[in-house]
Amino acid sequence: DTGVSQDPRHKITKRGQNVTFRCDPISEHNRLYWYRQTLGQGPEFLTYFQNEAQLEKSRLLSDRFSAERPKGSFSTLEIQRTEQGDSAMYLCASSPIPRGRFGEQFFGPGTRLTVL
Amino acid sequence: KNEVEQSPQNLTAQEGEFITINCSYSVGISALHWLQQHPGGGIVSLFMLSSGKKKHGRLIATINIQEKHSSLHITASHPRDSAVYICAVADKLIFGTGTRLQVFP
Repeated sequence: DTGVSQDPRHKITKRGQNVTFRCDPISEHNRLYWYRQTLGQGPEFLTYFQNEAQLEKSRLLSDRFSAERPKGSFSTLEIQRTEQGDSAMYLCASSPIPRGRFGEQFFGPGTRLTVL
Repeated sequence: KNEVEQSPQNLTAQEGEFITINCSYSVGISALHWLQQHPGGGIVSLFMLSSGKKKHGRLIATINIQEKHSSLHITASHPRDSAVYICAVADKLIFGTGTRLQVFP
């Protein structure tokens, strides 16, 4: 399978714990995006990388959130000291470098986080 | 007021009906995306367009940049079209809240 993969698919944690999610993009894609989606809402942009460089971070990405893409391939999203409000689906997408600012993106299946 | 608004929020249709989902936005954009999300979360990109009209199978997307409006049309709808349809605008990648479509046989 050459699509975008995410791991784990589901994560249940207790408030205050740290969690880390992984995203493996389509191998030839330079761009990698992270989104968060809460129930009944559309996705919200969190951050994106071009190769290993983090080019933009949303104001939604508080100090408890950090994302890395150390070798320009897979990416990790870590949430420290989780709160119940962090419960959401975390989506990853990848794309080739677009002509415009954001091009067609290919989405992974998401990681559903539940904070108890 | 949200920067990207979709209508209707929910839509039910009988198989075979022609369906229109609308997206209006208030920000300047370089492109608009239409996405399809099935239960369980998987998202598929349907279209990316910056002007005019695109067609793929039974799906047609149009955009009017001057009026800041886009529509997604589904011809001869089918139960497998049941999903949430989301529009998103670049440059800021702002997403609408989605239109939940259910097509009954």
